[in-house]
Amino acid sequence: AAGVIQSPRHLIKEKRETATLKCYPIPRHDTVYWYQQGPGQDPQFLISFYEKMQSDKGSIPDRFSAQQFSDYHSELNMSSLELGDSALYFCASRGRSETQYFGPGTRLLVL
Amino acid sequence: AQKITQTQPGMFVQEKEAVTLDCTYDTSDQSYGLFWYKQPSSGEMIFLIYQGSYDEQNATEGRYSLNFQKARKSANLVISASQLGDSAMYFCAMREVRNFNKFYFGSGTKLNVKP
Repeated sequence: AAGVIQSPRHLIKEKRETATLKCYPIPRHDTVYWYQQGPGQDPQFLISFYEKMQSDKGSIPDRFSAQQFSDYHSELNMSSLELGDSALYFCASRGRSETQYFGPGTRLLVL
Repeated sequence: AQKITQTQPGMFVQEKEAVTLDCTYDTSDQSYGLFWYKQPSSGEMIFLIYQGSYDEQNATEGRYSLNFQKARKSANLVISASQLGDSAMYFCAMREVRNFNKFYFGSGTKLNVKP
C-alpha cells in the first residue's frame, strides 16, 4: 500500500537560510499534519490542513509557513533558520478513518 | 495539564514475555480516540492500534492489544510474546472531537527487549 512520502529525507542548512519540506499524502487522504520532533522529545504538532485549508495550528513559529496544494501535497517553508530548528519533521495524513499515518520524516540539521 | 501521560520513560522485557506500557489521558470530551505508535531507532512513526472512546471491546491487532479502562482514563498497550524487533520508543496519542485535527502525544516509553 502507498505510504506518505516526504522529501528530502535529510537536509543540512546554515543559520538564517531557508528550507522547504515536501509531503505527499496517501492517495485519497484529504488531511495533512506537520509535526516537529526534537531529540529525545515527543512530536509537537505544528499545523494541519483539510481540503487545502488550514484547519488547526499548534506551536508553529512565525518564521514557518505551510500550505496544501490542489493535488493535496503540502509544503512546510522555514525561513531564518535557527540552530534550535534542527529536528525530525514529520508529515502525517488522514483519510476517512480516525488514524493518522506518518511519513518517514525529514531530518533537518541547522549548522 | 498534560493531555497524555506516560509514566515509564524506559522498560526492559525478556524476549517472548508480555509487557504493558502505561498511558493515562485527560479529557472532558465524551468522544475521543486513542492511538499507539512505535518509533524504532530509524525514526519512522509506525501506527500500531486505535481505540475509540465508544468502542466497547478492547482493540487488538496481532500481538498488540489495548487495555482500555474508560473510568480510570487509561489506555495501556499490551505487547504479547515480545520480540527483539519490538525494541523501540512507544508513544500514546489522543485526538479529541473538539480539536478534530490535533493529536496530543505523550512523552514516550523506551522499550528494550532482552534476548
